[in-house]
Amino acid sequence: EPEVTQTPSHQVTQMGQEVILRCVPISNHLYFYWYRQILGQKVEFLVSFYNNEISEKSEIFDDQFSVERPDGSNFTLKIRSTKLEDSAMYFCARTGAGSNTGELFFGEGSRLTVL
Amino acid sequence: LAKTTQPISMDSYEGQEVNITCSHNNIATNDYITWYQQFPSQGPRFIIQGYKTKVTNEVASLFIPADRKSSTLSLPRVSLSDTAVYYCLVGDTKGFKTIFGAGTRLFVKA
Repeated sequence: EPEVTQTPSHQVTQMGQEVILRCVPISNHLYFYWYRQILGQKVEFLVSFYNNEISEKSEIFDDQFSVERPDGSNFTLKIRSTKLEDSAMYFCARTGAGSNTGELFFGEGSRLTVL
Repeated sequence: LAKTTQPISMDSYEGQEVNITCSHNNIATNDYITWYQQFPSQGPRFIIQGYKTKVTNEVASLFIPADRKSSTLSLPRVSLSDTAVYYCLVGDTKGFKTIFGAGTRLFVKA
């Protein structure tokens, strides 16, 4: 099965600016996830999204983060006011189409650099 | 969620078989064991998943003992391109909150 497509591949922003990262999955997928990975560190769960609602979120996913699927296709992660420590790779993932086997398919990631 | 413990790093040489063992002592009845591979600056990639006994696919084998408190990922005849971080994950098939541990950094030398 094809993976998800993420845009942009790299974004540089100033501290305090809003950033929107996009994930374009195949339309019949129901389960989506956002993860982040700070350089040299482990992959961290941010949020899971099922049937257009947040299913679970981590303590990292505070009020400055939001997710939505505004048009039924793109799945977005918004960071309202970026901080230096938000610099990381952000990965979108989906589960397989149909029944959820728990297997995750990751995108290539969006590298966010906050200056 | 069951916590997993893996070696931080392992070294190997091309052509050797590599076995990476993961401990998950408090695995639940509904939990599956899944392994991912990650190259630098790329997203994790699914390798293999199992529930018990042995699972084999075109890239790896997964051995799970009867008590399911550990599992071993076996990579046959590794090459330089198998140098990566390997993650062992345990969770139910809902996958709502798949948590990655620190993983095992495998270095394959020529």
